[in-house]
Amino acid sequence: DAGVIQSPRHEVTEMGQEVTLRCKPISGHNSLFWYRQTMMRGLELLIYFNNNVPIDDSGMPEDRFSAKMPNASFSTLKIQPSEPRDSAVYFCASSPRTGSNEQFFGPGTRLTVL
Amino acid sequence: KQEVTQIPAALSVPEGENLVLNCSFTDSAIYNLQWFRQDPGKGLTSLLLIQSSQREQTSGRLNASLDKSSGRSTLYIAASQPGDSATYLCAVEDWGRKLIWGLGTSLGVNP
Repeated sequence: DAGVIQSPRHEVTEMGQEVTLRCKPISGHNSLFWYRQTMMRGLELLIYFNNNVPIDDSGMPEDRFSAKMPNASFSTLKIQPSEPRDSAVYFCASSPRTGSNEQFFGPGTRLTVL
Repeated sequence: KQEVTQIPAALSVPEGENLVLNCSFTDSAIYNLQWFRQDPGKGLTSLLLIQSSQREQTSGRLNASLDKSSGRSTLYIAASQPGDSATYLCAVEDWGRKLIWGLGTSLGVNP
């Protein structure tokens, strides 16, 4: 298995632009998580899905952030409009949700908003 | 509100040394505790997962312990190697099945 796949790996955009991050979870995993990592705050859970349904989006910072999971093999995290303080590394992780909750992480997308 | 703290923030040791990384959490009502490794520019790799009913887990040169009553976990690395250089993150899973993370310990092992 290729593991969790994220694209793009790097994104540089200007303030006010729309940004879309993409994630393909490991096949067969039924939970998907979006995290944001910054030096100051570390890793923060933004939202997670179970069987394609959003379960907890309390970590989504503002209405500018939205996430979708139209099917079991694809999810997007969208920021519109983007702001410089959104600059961070965004990770996607998936989990089989059987027994222990081991999560498998993608390589992340490094977002820079100028 | 659960808070996870990792001490020290950074550590540098000579190759071959045994070392201990510390993690503390404020709420003992956890589902499990997990240790991850993060290499620069890469994602996170799960190292060890300790269920709330367990006291420790071992994998190769790594041993993680859990003391829920005191809100502490340690990650012991035996005979450290330069390849162990990375950031080590501790995370507790609450009963809402969410992970709450520490800020990590950056480890450098010098040859």
